[in-house]
Amino acid sequence: GIQVEQSPPDLILQEGANSTLRCNFSDSVNNLQWFHQNPWGQLINLFYIPSGTKQNGRLSATTVATERYSLLYISSSQTTDSGVYFCAVLYSGAGSYQLTFGKGTKLSVIP
Amino acid sequence: DAGVIQSPRHEVTEMGQEVTLRCKPISGHDYLFWYRQTMMRGLELLIYFNNNVPIDDSGMPEDRFSAKMPNASFSTLKIQPSEPRDSAVYFCASSFFDRGSTFFGQGTRLTVV
Repeated sequence: GIQVEQSPPDLILQEGANSTLRCNFSDSVNNLQWFHQNPWGQLINLFYIPSGTKQNGRLSATTVATERYSLLYISSSQTTDSGVYFCAVLYSGAGSYQLTFGKGTKLSVIP
Repeated sequence: DAGVIQSPRHEVTEMGQEVTLRCKPISGHDYLFWYRQTMMRGLELLIYFNNNVPIDDSGMPEDRFSAKMPNASFSTLKIQPSEPRDSAVYFCASSFFDRGSTFFGQGTRLTVV
């Protein structure tokens, strides 16, 4: 099956700092999503981004499908950004339709 | 829409008991997924449905697990009998084919003692 690798696995930031999270995937995909799992365990959709660049407030994401990677940028980080960030890729083909998750990047933003 | 709704939010049960988790997907979505999250294995796909039909249950760990989707607005995941190693957070999710995001419910935290 498709492999999804995220880096770094852990990240500690001072409040106000910027960061870049990376997601590499092993095959062509139909779409890609970024999720934030907050400390209460809820999975929150951040971006649906099969290609190109999108921005939402302090967060932005870029996917380069031809090179099989995506980046999530967090600017001016806040303590509420803490949690785990997951990249998930969708492969639909040969009768399959599966959203496969990476292992996540655990972000801790300290005051 | 209220999003994907799961119940119960928390379940504590004794080993050997039957457990039923429930899910109401977002109206109009034609795909429904059941995932399990543990520290050791991360987020694993257990089974998914398309238009209420189970398509791939290869992720279901063993015969003690079963899932049904009797109609477009309801699905259940049943574990019988439950074991301590089934303790995890179980997520239900839904999506509309190839047209955007997959949305997750708030999860059911299952503890089997």
